[in-house]
Amino acid sequence: GENVEQHPSTLSVQEGDSAVIKCTYSDSASNYFPWYKQELGKRPQLIIDIRSNVGEKKDQRIAVTLNKTAKHFSLHITETQPEDSAVYFCAARGNEKLTFGTGTRLTIIP
Amino acid sequence: DVKVTQSSRYLVKRTGEKVFLECVQDMDHENMFWYRQDPGLGLRLIYFSYDVKMKEKGDIPEGYSVSREKKERFSLILESASTNQTSMYLCASSSTGTPQYFGPGTRLTVL
Repeated sequence: GENVEQHPSTLSVQEGDSAVIKCTYSDSASNYFPWYKQELGKRPQLIIDIRSNVGEKKDQRIAVTLNKTAKHFSLHITETQPEDSAVYFCAARGNEKLTFGTGTRLTIIP
Repeated sequence: DVKVTQSSRYLVKRTGEKVFLECVQDMDHENMFWYRQDPGLGLRLIYFSYDVKMKEKGDIPEGYSVSREKKERFSLILESASTNQTSMYLCASSSTGTPQYFGPGTRLTVL
């Protein structure tokens, strides 16, 4: 089955700086890659996704990139703000099931 | 406003008890999911359902069963709770094959 690895497990960045979270996947047939944000004590929320026929997608301060050849995808957050502090999960859909990464705890330092 | 609700936020049960976790969505979604979330392990799929009375096993179905008698309701059943089932349980629904909206979660403790 699909295996998704996510790095780093924790990340601290100064407010206003950029943050990058990286994931790799094993199943070359995977075709859909969503990202979820989970604030402390709250439910996960889908924040952005990318499909395998696209290399990059942006939504305001967040962007995702996908490299199908290398089987990795990344989440980029620019101009970070305190409300960006959360756990972020990547995921990959292969064989009709979604497999999650183990999460990255992002802390924004004021 | 989109809503996925779960029957309990916190639940404490004893080993061997039968446990029911219920999830209700009001978006008329065909697809519903049950995940468990454990520190360092991310979210792992237990079961999902793509239609009423239809179900598919996820990655960790052992010790669990599910029921979907109505489109809006998806129940997770622990036939005989064990301590290794202590976890956060998250329900989700979607109009696609992947979860779009999650419930608030049920933190289950099995003593």
